[in-house]
Amino acid sequence: DVKVTQSSRYLVKRTGEKVFLECVQDMDHENMFWYRQDPGLGLRLIYFSYDVKMKEKGDIPEGYSVSREKKERFSLILESASTNQTSMYLCASSLGARMSASDTQYFGPGTRLTVL
Amino acid sequence: DQQVKQNSPSLSVQEGRISILNCDYTNSMFDYFLWYKKYPAEGPTFLISISSIKDKNEDGRFTVFLNKSAKHLSLHIVPSQPGDSAVYFCAASNTGTASKLTFGTGTRLQVTL
Repeated sequence: DVKVTQSSRYLVKRTGEKVFLECVQDMDHENMFWYRQDPGLGLRLIYFSYDVKMKEKGDIPEGYSVSREKKERFSLILESASTNQTSMYLCASSLGARMSASDTQYFGPGTRLTVL
Repeated sequence: DQQVKQNSPSLSVQEGRISILNCDYTNSMFDYFLWYKKYPAEGPTFLISISSIKDKNEDGRFTVFLNKSAKHLSLHIVPSQPGDSAVYFCAASNTGTASKLTFGTGTRLQVTL
């Protein structure tokens, strides 16, 4: 069974703080993703990574950065948290093949971040 | 610009009846479509998918239909069960963009007794 874990389920931070969200997967997947989920907006892709040290911007990368130093770990960084970054953050991983039935994205349980 | 749309934010269906969840897309480059199910306090889990070379894919109680000319897909759940109550997300991909998915806004399904 694929397991994607996220470092915190709930996090409360203050405006201007630097925030790190950690994600670890245990299935040797090539691809990793960070999304945020907001009511009425669904899941929106922030950043993704095809390989170690590689990253690509998603649809809403502004205000975020990422780090992938090891294959199993993908970190999302909020350099200076703002109240509009209050959201549910979801990490996912996938095997890495061209999109096929086998390249499903597996999600972690999410981190609910509140920025005060 | 919402490329994948789920116009019904919520749906209520009686147990045993059919649930039909709809999804529309605008990007004609999308050629692979998926449905994910999400319970509260959990991440989304993959439910069923369909390639654009097919118009139907079935897995047990779940069937996805794809109408490429209308850029529309639907998920049918028959019969609906209380455990199906969740938020359902439609997602789409272009197989040339290496697994990147575009998600819809979600439909909350409630199956009542």
